[in-house]
Amino acid sequence: GAGVSQSPRYKVTKRGQDVTLRCDPISSHATLYWYQQALGQGPEFLTYFNYEAQPDKSGLPSDRFSAERPEGSISTLTIQRTEQRDSAMYRCASSYPAGGSTDTQYFGPGTRLTVL
Amino acid sequence: AQSVTQLGSHVSVSEGALVLLRCNYSSSVPPYLFWYVQYPNQGLQLLLKYTTGATLVKGINGFEAEFKKSETSFHLTKPSAHMSDAAEYFCAVSEGSSNTGKLIFGQGTTLQVKP
Repeated sequence: GAGVSQSPRYKVTKRGQDVTLRCDPISSHATLYWYQQALGQGPEFLTYFNYEAQPDKSGLPSDRFSAERPEGSISTLTIQRTEQRDSAMYRCASSYPAGGSTDTQYFGPGTRLTVL
Repeated sequence: AQSVTQLGSHVSVSEGALVLLRCNYSSSVPPYLFWYVQYPNQGLQLLLKYTTGATLVKGINGFEAEFKKSETSFHLTKPSAHMSDAAEYFCAVSEGSSNTGKLIFGQGTTLQVKP
């Protein structure tokens, strides 16, 4: 696609429910990142993929958080048993060619998650 | 561990005045440094980046930043502010040692431009 897209743009859920967020990266981009951004803070790294491989999950806050990218394109981020502290903006970014430290990351508009 | 500090969560300037947004970093390895801008309801967009070579980096929309290793700084400047520059600005450093592209962001600075 022309840019990184994310859906839904807004999600309101009740505590204890599971949510799944979707990211559709730029089609030629091998690398995909997930970040969590709390209100008034900068984005914080959650995890990333090179194609379908997930080399680094170090930023996932707990085992309630998981991500996948089974075919190396679209990715989903799932939060199980949501808690109020999970309320944040979740940002996806993609880069080309292989997620090097100098590559530009292209960000989607984000999903605003609110847990009541 | 790498970190980024942005001095001032809010900066207000008059239209036509100099814009200066401050960023200091901490890194045990040569850093790669980025400035991103976020307009309302949009994703973050790259303004400029420093990887190697010339320490004065020019970006889009008339912005530039200078990498100063001795001061561990990467401040963002623009000679003359425009109303359209009002946005939130994020400084970030990349973990060069692991080459994963993982970005560590500062907390952001909101720029207000007054007419």
